Amino acid sequence: SQQGEEDPQALSIQEGENATMNCSYKTSINNLQWYRQNSGRGLVHLILIRSNEREKHSGRLRVTLDTSKKSSSLLITASRAADTASYFCATDGGGGGATNKLIFGTGTLLAVQP
Amino acid sequence: SQTIHQWPATLVQPVGSPLSLECTVEGTSNPNLYWYRQAAGRGLQLLFYSVGIGQISSEVPQNLSASRPQDRQFILSSKKLLLSDSGFYLCAWSVRQGARGGELFFGEGSRLTVL
Repeated sequence: SQQGEEDPQALSIQEGENATMNCSYKTSINNLQWYRQNSGRGLVHLILIRSNEREKHSGRLRVTLDTSKKSSSLLITASRAADTASYFCATDGGGGGATNKLIFGTGTLLAVQP
Repeated sequence: SQTIHQWPATLVQPVGSPLSLECTVEGTSNPNLYWYRQAAGRGLQLLFYSVGIGQISSEVPQNLSASRPQDRQFILSSKKLLLSDSGFYLCAWSVRQGARGGELFFGEGSRLTVL
C-alpha cells in the first residue's frame, strides 16, 4: 500500500501544551499536505510543504519535511480545545499530469482537554 | 468564492438497493473531481477521479461507479449495495494543474450505512 502513516494514532494533551504529530510515507513526492477533520465533517486543508522545503509556518502551525527519511511532522503550538480533531497527512505520489491524486495517511486523533 | 455541495448527508440503505450520491461545485470551472471513502477510524481511500466531463478513472475495483455528466457535477452510484459499501464518502475538487499539485477542497461528506 502507498498509504502513509501518522504517529501517534491518538494524542491527548492539556490546553496550552504543544502537540506534535508525525507522518511517514513511502513514495517520492512533489509536496506533502496536512489536513484537519472535525468529527463527522469533511477535511480542511491546513498547510502544504513542497519537496524542496524543509520547514514551513502558518500561524500556530509548524511543519517540517525530511525527504531523505520520507517523514514530516506537524506541530501545533499553544493548543486550544477547538484544535480537537483528526489530522491527516497527504502526499501526491511524485507524479505529474493534470490530476492531484492525494494519498492520505491513517490520521492522528488529537484531543485537547480544557 | 468556490463552494462544494454534497448530498445526501446521511442515508441508510438495505443490501441490494441502488445508490446515488451527488456532488456539485460552484464558483470554478474545469475542476478535477474526486470521490474518497473513509472507513470508521481509518484514512481516506481514493475511489474515482475525473479531469473532465465523461472522463472517469477508477482507483480500486469495487461495486461502485462514478459519472460526470456536467463540468461541475460528480455522481457516485451503485446498482446493488453490499454491506462492505458502508462508510463515509467524501467528494472533493482541485484546480487542474501539473506536477506541483495543490490542495483539495472537500464537501461535508455522506454517511452511508448498508443494513
